[in-house]
Amino acid sequence: KAGVTQTPRYLIKTRGQQVTLSCSPISGHRSVSWYQQTPGQGLQFLFEYFSETQRNKGNFPGRFSGRQFSNSRSEMNVSTLELGDSALYLCASSSPGGDYNEQFFGPGTRLTVL
Amino acid sequence: AQSVTQLGSHVSVSEGALVLLRCNYSSSVPPYLFWYVQYPNQGLQLLLKYTSAATLVKGINGFEAEFKKSETSFHLTKPSAHMSDAAEYFCAVSVRGNKLVFGAGTILRVKS
Repeated sequence: KAGVTQTPRYLIKTRGQQVTLSCSPISGHRSVSWYQQTPGQGLQFLFEYFSETQRNKGNFPGRFSGRQFSNSRSEMNVSTLELGDSALYLCASSSPGGDYNEQFFGPGTRLTVL
Repeated sequence: AQSVTQLGSHVSVSEGALVLLRCNYSSSVPPYLFWYVQYPNQGLQLLLKYTSAATLVKGINGFEAEFKKSETSFHLTKPSAHMSDAAEYFCAVSVRGNKLVFGAGTILRVKS
């Protein structure tokens, strides 16, 4: 079974631009979560999508948004980029059912904002 | 709210020595607890998880962790370190859904 894939792997943008990152979950997984990883703040939960609906949300400004498509692929968008948005963005997928399901992480997209 | 504290941002051990990475959690309800490993330029890989079954949890690559409610701890151990264990390790807690709250991470260095 193919793992979680994220595209692109590396991205360079300038302040004020917007960016869209993509995540393809493991086949059959319907939940996709996004995390931001920075040296200063560590790993922080952005949001989770399940069956095209946002099910959980972290404490990030409205510039960070996401969506999920009917095939469970997910995108996250960051508008009006700031230098502090430079980070590794990780996507994780899991299958439904139960109180907790193991999350499988992709390799991440490294975003650099200049 | 849930939180995780990992004691020691860097741990250095000799090859063959015991590995002990410390994690303490805070949760108002019974938590699910996890250890993940991250190698450079890669995502996170699950080492093991505690989901209210056995308190001693065995994971991949010879790692194990013990859930101690009285100490609110979930320390990660491995009897004998290998060079390939050098990586960053994250403890995480989840109470609701798939939202994980991570500790700050511990970088493990293995000396030959």
